[in-house]
Amino acid sequence: DTGVSQDPRHKITKRGQNVTFRCDPISEHNRLYWYRQTLGQGPEFLTYFQNEAQLEKSRLLSDRFSAERPKGSFSTLEIQRTEQGDSAMYLCASSPWGGLNTEAFFGQGTRLTVV
Amino acid sequence: AQRVTQPEKLLSVFKGAPVELKCNYSYSGSPELFWYVQYSRQRLQLLLRHISRESIKGFTADLNKGETSFHLKKPFAQEEDSAMYYCALIGRATSGSRLTFGEGTQLTVNP
Repeated sequence: DTGVSQDPRHKITKRGQNVTFRCDPISEHNRLYWYRQTLGQGPEFLTYFQNEAQLEKSRLLSDRFSAERPKGSFSTLEIQRTEQGDSAMYLCASSPWGGLNTEAFFGQGTRLTVV
Repeated sequence: AQRVTQPEKLLSVFKGAPVELKCNYSYSGSPELFWYVQYSRQRLQLLLRHISRESIKGFTADLNKGETSFHLKKPFAQEEDSAMYYCALIGRATSGSRLTFGEGTQLTVNP
C-alpha cells in the first residue's frame, strides 16, 4: 500500500500520559495535514505543514499538542498529559503542491482512547 | 468563518431509488466544494469536486451559489453506495487548502 500510513492504528492510554502518533505521507507530497474526528462529527482541522514548515494551527490545538515534520517527510503528533476529551480518531492527510482543488489523501487514522 | 452543514445524519433508501444528500455551506467568498466518502473499514477518499463537473460512480453535485448548496445526487442508488458521505469546502482565502467538513450523512441502500 503506497498511500498515507499512520501508526499506531489504535492507542489506549491512561489520563495524564503522553502519546505520540506518526504519519508517513505519500512520498512526493509536500503538504501534510492533521485532523481530529470525534464520534458523530466530521474531521476537524488541527494543523498543516508545507514541507517542514508548520504554517497553520487550529485553535483546537491546545498547548498540550505539538506536531513536527522534520525534513519534510514523516510527521509526528504528540499529546502531553492526555485528557479524556482527547479521545478521538486522529487523521493524517497529504497532498501535492497545487491549487485549491488538489485532492487530499487520507490515512486510516489512529484511534485514541484515554481512560 | 466557513461552515458546512449536512442536515441529515442518516439517510436510508431502497436499491434503484433516487438519492440526494444535502449540503449547505456558508463562506463569504467563492469556495471550492468537495464530496468525500468513507466506505466501511476504508479510509476517507475523494468522491468528486465541483470544479471538475464530473460524474463519479453515477453521482453528480451541482454548486448553487444562490442557495449556497452543493447537494449530491444519484438517480438509481446501489447497495455498494452505502457509506458515510462528507461534504467539504476550501475557502479561497484559506492557506494550504485545508478542508472544512460537514458532520456527514450515513447512507444506507437497502436491497
